Amino acid sequence: NAGVTQTPKFRVLKTGQSMTLLCAQDMNHEYMYWYRQDPGMGLRLIHYSVGEGTTAKGEVPDGYNVSRLKKQNFLLGLESAAPSQTSVYFCASSYILRGRTNQPQHFGDGTRLSIL
Amino acid sequence: LAKTTQPISMDSYEGQEVNITCSHNNIATNDYITWYQQFPSQGPRFIIQGYKTKVTNEVASLFIPADRKSSTLSLPRVSLSDTAVYYCLVGDNRAPQNAGNMLTFGGGTRLMVKP
Repeated sequence: NAGVTQTPKFRVLKTGQSMTLLCAQDMNHEYMYWYRQDPGMGLRLIHYSVGEGTTAKGEVPDGYNVSRLKKQNFLLGLESAAPSQTSVYFCASSYILRGRTNQPQHFGDGTRLSIL
Repeated sequence: LAKTTQPISMDSYEGQEVNITCSHNNIATNDYITWYQQFPSQGPRFIIQGYKTKVTNEVASLFIPADRKSSTLSLPRVSLSDTAVYYCLVGDNRAPQNAGNMLTFGGGTRLMVKP
């Protein structure tokens, strides 16, 4: 049982390049999330999904797009990378229990992205 | 979404009990309180969650007074491996439109456990 797996673990991009970060979970969780964490700071929610085919904006969505074509996968895309998007990106998932959404989130180990 | 305030950092020694308090003056009726732990180079890990009074599990206890405007995470007999950042989150649990409301991590409390 791998839990939440993020690929790649590290990546260096040049300004203007595009890339996609992949998050996969094998726990059959309904909800998935993408966060970014900048040095010395807490996590900020980028986008999230409450189910296959649905996505919603979080606190800092600008410059990112997401897709949830399959329940187990949540993709985060950077269409034109900027140095301000240098960060550690975390994916998480959680389940619904009796209609309640505030169940513990399970996090991946992050993707470290540097944009030059 | 209720805003939370935590101490930036705390120091302790091995074997001591550590109490980290989180203030959430604007907590709403449907809000739950959740604590996460994060080690360097890892994603956060769920510790404990509660709504009122006291919750205890094998890792920690969570104390919530009657007015629910604050909460205290208690770590019994800490060890060096408890050195980490601890985050307090507050938000409601009504699915699905509020799924994003639990998800504001503040700066957290950086706990340093010394030998």
